[in-house]
Amino acid sequence: AQSVTQLGSHVSVSEGALVLLRCNYSSSVPPYLFWYVQYPNQGLQLLLKYTTGATLVKGINGFEAEFKKSETSFHLTKPSAHMSDAAEYFCAVSEGYTGTASKLTFGTGTRLQVTL
Amino acid sequence: NAGVTQTPKFQVLKTGQSMTLQCAQDMNHEYMSWYRQDPGMGLRLIHYSVGAGITDQGEVPNGYNVSRSTTEDFPLRLLSAAPSQTSVYFCASSYSGAGGGQETQYFGPGTRLLVL
Repeated sequence: AQSVTQLGSHVSVSEGALVLLRCNYSSSVPPYLFWYVQYPNQGLQLLLKYTTGATLVKGINGFEAEFKKSETSFHLTKPSAHMSDAAEYFCAVSEGYTGTASKLTFGTGTRLQVTL
Repeated sequence: NAGVTQTPKFQVLKTGQSMTLQCAQDMNHEYMSWYRQDPGMGLRLIHYSVGAGITDQGEVPNGYNVSRSTTEDFPLRLLSAAPSQTSVYFCASSYSGAGGGQETQYFGPGTRLLVL
């Protein structure tokens, strides 16, 4: 069975500081990994995803994540935080099986606060 | 395109009442899913569908029914609401494309349900 662990339910950074949100996964097959962002009172929006190929994945709004198989991690980073980055971030894993839809398993989320 | 739409945005029910949460998408996506979001638990898959007439259970299906008579619509039915079903419900859709779990899911804005 697949699972996701997000370390830190709340992370606070200063504007301009590095953002690091941690995600570790467990999967019995090569995983597909996703980061979604949720702004207040809205649905989830895809930030980036890893399927195959390059392990460093670039997403929207300056975010990127690196797939490290040996560490079973997919941490999300952004070099310089902006006030507009304040939101909740979810890491998710999908075990791929040909011909089936993704069944995403989500982490519990990390709320990012950005302060002046 | 309107994307994924959900109605109502907010609903209050009494224990034992029934209701249907509506979900529609205009992107001609084959796959559709329902999730519930509870504080500290991330999103959990309730039911999903890979096409009209085909549905399957997710992680937390008890107390919920679904059907998929058209590609566009995927309603979620609560036959006898319970306080434990108080939650925020999200519908999502995705294009099969490469399939096998790689596809991006597009989320609706959510329905907040309170069961008294």
